[in-house]
Amino acid sequence: SQKIEQNSEALNIQEGKTATLTCNYTNYSPAYLQWYRQDPGRGPVFLLLIRENEKEKRKERLKVTFDTTLKQSLFHITASQPADSATYLCALAGGSYIPTFGRGTSLIVHP
Amino acid sequence: GAVVSQHPSWVICKSGTSVKIECRSLDFQATTMFWYRQFPKQSLMLMATSNEGSKATYEQGVEKDKFLINHASLTLSTLTVTSAHPEDSSFYICSARDQVQPYEQYFGPGTRLTVT
Repeated sequence: SQKIEQNSEALNIQEGKTATLTCNYTNYSPAYLQWYRQDPGRGPVFLLLIRENEKEKRKERLKVTFDTTLKQSLFHITASQPADSATYLCALAGGSYIPTFGRGTSLIVHP
Repeated sequence: GAVVSQHPSWVICKSGTSVKIECRSLDFQATTMFWYRQFPKQSLMLMATSNEGSKATYEQGVEKDKFLINHASLTLSTLTVTSAHPEDSSFYICSARDQVQPYEQYFGPGTRLTVT
C-alpha cells in the first residue's frame, strides 16, 4: 500500500540555522509533491509544489528537492526563525490532483 | 490569495445530536471541495470529495449516511455529522480547489468537534 513517511520526532534547531525536513514515500508514483505548514488548531497552509520532472524549487527562504529515484523530498528552511516553528506536512498526488498527506514533522526553532 | 472559511470554528454537542459544518470559498469558485478529518498527531485523512451539483464521493470506510455532504453552490459545501458519538470527536478541515489551478488546494481553518 502507499506510504508517506515523515519523521515523527520533533526537529529542534537554533535560530539562524537551516532546518531540513524529510519526506519518503513507497508504492507511489506521484505527479507532484507539496509541502504545507500547519499551526496548532489550524488548517494547513500551502507552501510549495514540485512536479515529478523538477529537481528543485525555491521560494524565498524555502527550498524543496524531489528525487523520484530515491523516492524522497527534502524541505529546507534557511535562516530559520522562531516564527517558523510549526508542523510541516508533505503531500503527494497523482493525476487525480487529490493529495495524500504524511503525518507531518514538528519543527521547533529556539531563539 | 484564495481564502476558505469554516463555521463554526469549534462546537460541543451531546451524543445523538447532529452537527452541521459549513465551508465557504470567499473569493473564488470552488468546483471541488474536500473534507478531511484529523486526529491529534495524525495526518489529514480524506473523508470525501464533493463536486458542485453532484453527489459526494466517499473514501473507503467513511459512512456516507453518517457524514452527509452537500455542495449546493460553487462557494459552499456543508458536512453534517448525524447522530454524533464521542468517537466522532475530531478536527474537521475542508479544502477547496478551483478549475484554473487544480494542483492547489486552499484549506479552511478547521472545526473542532467535541461530542460529550
